[in-house]
Amino acid sequence: GDSVTQMEGPVTLSEEAFLTINCTYTATGYPSLFWYVQYPGEGLQLLLKATKADDKGSNKGFEATYRKETTSFHLEKGSVQVSDSAVYFCALGARGSTLGRLYFGRGTQLTVWP
Amino acid sequence: EAQVTQNPRYLITVTGKKLTVTCSQNMNHEYMSWYRQDPGLGLRQIYYSMNVEVTDKGDVPEGYKVSRKEKRNFPLILESPSPNQTSLYFCASRRDSSYEQYFGPGTRLTVT
Repeated sequence: GDSVTQMEGPVTLSEEAFLTINCTYTATGYPSLFWYVQYPGEGLQLLLKATKADDKGSNKGFEATYRKETTSFHLEKGSVQVSDSAVYFCALGARGSTLGRLYFGRGTQLTVWP
Repeated sequence: EAQVTQNPRYLITVTGKKLTVTCSQNMNHEYMSWYRQDPGLGLRQIYYSMNVEVTDKGDVPEGYKVSRKEKRNFPLILESPSPNQTSLYFCASRRDSSYEQYFGPGTRLTVT
């Protein structure tokens, strides 16, 4: 079945460091892929998305490229800030699925120190 | 403003006392879901609904009920809460499986 495997955390970085959070998926067909972010005490919000192979989603300096050949959607940011401290979730949405499901990874806690 | 609302935001209750957590969305979305979030386990789907009167079980449906009598509302019902249902609960809605999901602010439930 469809699933998402996400890099386990926690991840601790200094400000301005480079960030990569790995995400790989298993799916039948051609899913849409998402990264969600959860700031402390808040609900999840969409960070970026990609709906087809080779698409690059980007937002707030974060990027992720939909790689069909490696079934991956790794999240990257060139220079993290303290305000990026949050939990990040990779998710998969099966296109056209009658079940209407999104599949989430377990989340990766990121802490950025000044 | 497009949003998903949940009530209450915080709830402390005792074992066996029935409770309902409400969820409402104003975006005319067809798909709605309930998740619980527990440390180390990420988000696990409890139930989801594809439209009015159409619901199905997610990964962890035991001990929960839902109903979808109107498109905008999707309440989560705990008929006889137990301490292992202490968790952070999120309601979410979306238009389609290809589109982004909108989350409510969360309900922190403690069952003693």
